[in-house]
Amino acid sequence: DVKVTQSSRYLVKRTGEKVFLECVQDMDHENMFWYRQDPGLGLRLIYFSYDVKMKEKGDIPEGYSVSREKKERFSLILESASTNQTSMYLCASSLTGPISEQYFGPGTRLTVT
Amino acid sequence: EDQVTQSPEALRLQEGESSSLNCSYTVSGLRGLFWYRQDPGKGPEFLFTLYSAGEEKEKERLKATLTKKESFLHITAPKPEDSATYLCAVQTAGSSNTGKLIFGQGTTLQVKP
Repeated sequence: DVKVTQSSRYLVKRTGEKVFLECVQDMDHENMFWYRQDPGLGLRLIYFSYDVKMKEKGDIPEGYSVSREKKERFSLILESASTNQTSMYLCASSLTGPISEQYFGPGTRLTVT
Repeated sequence: EDQVTQSPEALRLQEGESSSLNCSYTVSGLRGLFWYRQDPGKGPEFLFTLYSAGEEKEKERLKATLTKKESFLHITAPKPEDSATYLCAVQTAGSSNTGKLIFGQGTTLQVKP
């Protein structure tokens, strides 16, 4: 079974703090993704990576950065957390190929106060 | 512009009352269509991949079908434990190397005993 884990299920941070969200997958997947999910807005892609050290912006990259130093790990960084970044953050991974489903982690519920 | 639309947004059923969820798509070069189930506060769980028009996949009370314009998720004799949000996503020819998916907004299903 594919296993995608996220470092925290719940996180509370203060405005202006630097926040790290970690994601690890154990299936040797090339692709990794960070989404945020908000009521009424669905899943929105923040950043993705199709190889180690490679990253591309998704639909809403502003205020975020990412790091992928190892194939199995993909980190999302909030340089200076703001209240509008309160959300559910979901990590996913997939194989490279013509058709490839994504497998998701359990999510991190981040609250910025 | 590639687009995925799910309907209805919300659906309430009595236990045993069969129904269907719709996912319509307008994309260039469909490679695959995916269905996910998401329970509150958790990450989406992969259900099915459909590759070509006419294909069907089944799992317990769920059956997914695909045409050239839409997919249906049929739920036969649902039980309360089928209550969840069901997400549809597509992969296009243009995103084969990156694994990017386009997600619909989801249909929230509630099955009452």
